[in-house]
Amino acid sequence: QQPVQSPQAVILREGEDAVINCSSSKALYSVHWYRQKHGEAPVFLMILLKGGEQKGHEKISASFNEKKQQSSLYLTASQLSYSGTYFCGTEGSGGSNYKLTFGKGTLLTVNP
Amino acid sequence: NAGVMQNPRHLVRRRGQEARLRCSPMKGHSHVYWYRQLPEEGLKFMVYLQKENIIDESGMPKERFSAEFPKEGPSILRIQQVVRGDSAAYFCASSPDSLSNQPQHFGDGTRLSIL
Repeated sequence: QQPVQSPQAVILREGEDAVINCSSSKALYSVHWYRQKHGEAPVFLMILLKGGEQKGHEKISASFNEKKQQSSLYLTASQLSYSGTYFCGTEGSGGSNYKLTFGKGTLLTVNP
Repeated sequence: NAGVMQNPRHLVRRRGQEARLRCSPMKGHSHVYWYRQLPEEGLKFMVYLQKENIIDESGMPKERFSAEFPKEGPSILRIQQVVRGDSAAYFCASSPDSLSNQPQHFGDGTRLSIL
C-alpha cells in the first residue's frame, strides 16, 4: 500500500526548518528518501533501515520509527536549493529493496 | 559521469504506434527497475530486471507492455499499440544489487506523449 506523506506542500523562507512525514499501514524494513526537481530525475538522499536509526546528509536528517511504521525527514536552515518534491519510498518487511512503494510526495518551496 | 542514461528524453507517438524506451544503468550496476510517474503522483513500480532475467513484473500491465535487459546493450521498455492513458514520465533506476542498504539511482526519464 502507498505510504502517506504529510504535509502535501510547504512554503518556507530561506533559513527556516521543515519536517516531512511518511506513514505506512504495513510493517516496514526500510525507508528511502528522494528529492525531485521539476522535469528532473529523483535524487537519492538517504536510506533508513529497520532499527530506528537517524541519518544525516548536510543539514537534512531523518528518523525511522519501525514500531509506528513512520519516518520523518528534517530540513534545517533551509536553502533555496532545497526546493523540490520530496518522496519517501518504503520497502516492506522481509528485505530486498527492489519493490519500493512511493508516496505522492511533498512539494517544498523555499523563498528568499 | 557514468550515471543512469535514458533515451529519448521526450517521445511523441500516435495512438496505435509502438514506443521503445531505453535505459543504460550506471557502470557496475546489474539491477534495473522501471517506474512510471503521472503528474502530481509518486513513482509506481513496474518491473525489476537483472541481466537476461525478469525478476518481478507485477507492476506492469499484462497486455501491450514488455521489458527486457539483454546480456549486451540497454534495458528496453516496450509499449505496443499505445493509448492516450500511456502518457506519462517513465523512469529507470539501477543499483549494484537488491540489498536494502543500496540506493536506486534514477535516470532523467522519458516523457511519453500520445497524440
